[in-house]
Amino acid sequence: AQTVTQSQPEMSVQEAETVTLSCTYDTSESDYYLFWYKQPPSRQMILVIRQEAYKQQNATENRFSVNFQKAAKSFSLKISDSQLGDAAMYFCAYRRRALNYGGSQGNLIFGKGTKLSVKP
Amino acid sequence: EPEVTQTPSHQVTQMGQEVILRCVPISNHLYFYWYRQILGQKVEFLVSFYNNEISEKSEIFDDQFSVERPDGSNFTLKIRSTKLEDSAMYFCASSEEYYYGYTFGSGTRLTVV
Repeated sequence: AQTVTQSQPEMSVQEAETVTLSCTYDTSESDYYLFWYKQPPSRQMILVIRQEAYKQQNATENRFSVNFQKAAKSFSLKISDSQLGDAAMYFCAYRRRALNYGGSQGNLIFGKGTKLSVKP
Repeated sequence: EPEVTQTPSHQVTQMGQEVILRCVPISNHLYFYWYRQILGQKVEFLVSFYNNEISEKSEIFDDQFSVERPDGSNFTLKIRSTKLEDSAMYFCASSEEYYYGYTFGSGTRLTVV
């Protein structure tokens, strides 16, 4: 079974600095998707960034980027120029690639999350 | 930007009662999901739904739970005979294609007393 591990329960960063959140996963699949979701105090789940395993290029979204190391099964999130609004729980998630329409699509498997605090 | 809408945002119910959690997925999405998050724990998959039927469900999704798409827009999760341990945040999500990421709703906080 696939598992997702986030080894940092809490992290802290100074405003405007850079922070990296770690995530490792275990799977026997070769094709899958990886995600980072942000959950602010409102508890809504917000997609931050998405990576397709067959793509070697690391995904980036503005201040957010990932370091995807497929062989090491590592998927870290880097937040540059941290802002107070970045304070939240961050969840790493894995989803296997569904092969066709309908049927089993492969549900998201989440890590336990990392609570990020941003200091002014 | 299109949103997944969930109602109510917070529901309190007595143990043993039935509750229905409602979701309006994004209109052109075809795949629908329910997840739950017990306070302080990880987000867990409950069920996925496509073409008016369940496509996958977890061990959590037992006979106490059911899902329905009663019309072209709503997607509901019914919990029969609620238990204290059903207290959690319930998230609805939808996706346009099977290879896309999900869009989550803002969740319904269910409290069973």
